[in-house]
Amino acid sequence: GNSVTQMEGPVTLSEEAFLTINCTYTATGYPSLFWYVQYPGEGLQLLLKATKADDKGSNKGFEATYRKETTSFHLEKGSVQVSDSAVYFCAFDTGANSKLTFGKGITLSVRP
Amino acid sequence: DTAVSQTPKYLVTQMGNDKSIKCEQNLGHDTMYWYKQDSKKFLKIMFSYNNKELIINETVPNRFSPKSPDKAHLNLHINSLELGDSAVYFCASSLAGVGEQYFGPGTRLTVT
Repeated sequence: GNSVTQMEGPVTLSEEAFLTINCTYTATGYPSLFWYVQYPGEGLQLLLKATKADDKGSNKGFEATYRKETTSFHLEKGSVQVSDSAVYFCAFDTGANSKLTFGKGITLSVRP
Repeated sequence: DTAVSQTPKYLVTQMGNDKSIKCEQNLGHDTMYWYKQDSKKFLKIMFSYNNKELIINETVPNRFSPKSPDKAHLNLHINSLELGDSAVYFCASSLAGVGEQYFGPGTRLTVT
């Protein structure tokens, strides 16, 4: 069945460190891929998306590339800030009933 | 201009009570969702409505009953509340066929 696998957390980094959060998916067809971010006490916000193979989504210094051959959509940022501390969710949509399949989420803490 | 709003933000109640959560979106979307997020941040879809019609009904106890009076509103009524219902409930909305969903701020339900 459809699923998203995210690397285990939590992740703690120092400010200005490089960030990679791994995400792989299992889906039929050609899903659209998303990264959502949830800041403390808030709802989820769309961070970036990619709708077809080799597309790169980017926002706020974060990037992720749709890799169809490895069914992956890893999130990267070159230099994290304390304000990036949040929970990050990988998700995909196959278009069926507009349903999103989410990963378990990973908590990122950035130390000053 | 709040895009997706929920009321109340916090709800504390005793076991056995009945409570409702309300959601409204002003984005002109035609699809709305209810999600449950547990203490480990795991996000699970409960229901989805498209143009007031139920299209997703995951394995949720019958005590949970959604109602969509119009495209802009989706309410969640919970009967006979149990301790295990304690969670954060998120409403979201989207356009059908477009994976990007917009989330409300959440309702933290605590059952004592």
